[in-house]
Amino acid sequence: SQQGEEDPQALSIQEGENATMNCSYKTSINNLQWYRQNSGRGLVHLILIRSNEREKHSGRLRVTLDTSKKSSSLLITASRAADTASYFCATDGWTGSYQLTFGKGTKLSVIP
Amino acid sequence: ETGVTQSPTHLIKTRGQQVTLRCSSQSGHNTVSWYQQALGQGPQFIFQYYREEENGRGNFPPRFSGLQFPNYSSELNVNALELDDSALYLCASSQQGANEQYFGPGTRLTVT
Repeated sequence: SQQGEEDPQALSIQEGENATMNCSYKTSINNLQWYRQNSGRGLVHLILIRSNEREKHSGRLRVTLDTSKKSSSLLITASRAADTASYFCATDGWTGSYQLTFGKGTKLSVIP
Repeated sequence: ETGVTQSPTHLIKTRGQQVTLRCSSQSGHNTVSWYQQALGQGPQFIFQYYREEENGRGNFPPRFSGLQFPNYSSELNVNALELDDSALYLCASSQQGANEQYFGPGTRLTVT
């Protein structure tokens, strides 16, 4: 079952603009991670934020986490055409094994 | 690019047949997880292998089975294929207990 729900499902912006994607989840988490997927291929890890953190930065990426609202957001600043991809949030937890539970993703299109 | 490789890249099978997908872990990783990603959905956890034993399983029937070998490579076997098994199958390697998983490029399975 899907843990998280990303919003919006699809987003189209001009190169240079900022892109914001949101993720909501249902149960308590240890960490929340964001992944990128190009054209239905493998996932690339972008950033991990721990449940006791509120904000984290990595290059042009900014992630926030609000555990009281069970939500997270991913901001990509100064977007580039190469940022065109699907973005997924994933929550993790230990249930005998360490597994990731993904949302349905946001499809981002950056128009040159 | 991660060091995780998967084979084959694409596969077409007929309903009722059996299929074996292969994954080679990134060097130094001892844990392999398998995910199924249906079109337009996020990946769903199938199971995880650690020290050659299944170490956690998602909501998948027993006809989904796996193996992990002493070199940490892994196989996913699916028996009695159904049309709904058509998906991208992703493997991810990691160190046991680590938060970040490294994904391979996936195998796209089509069941006709």
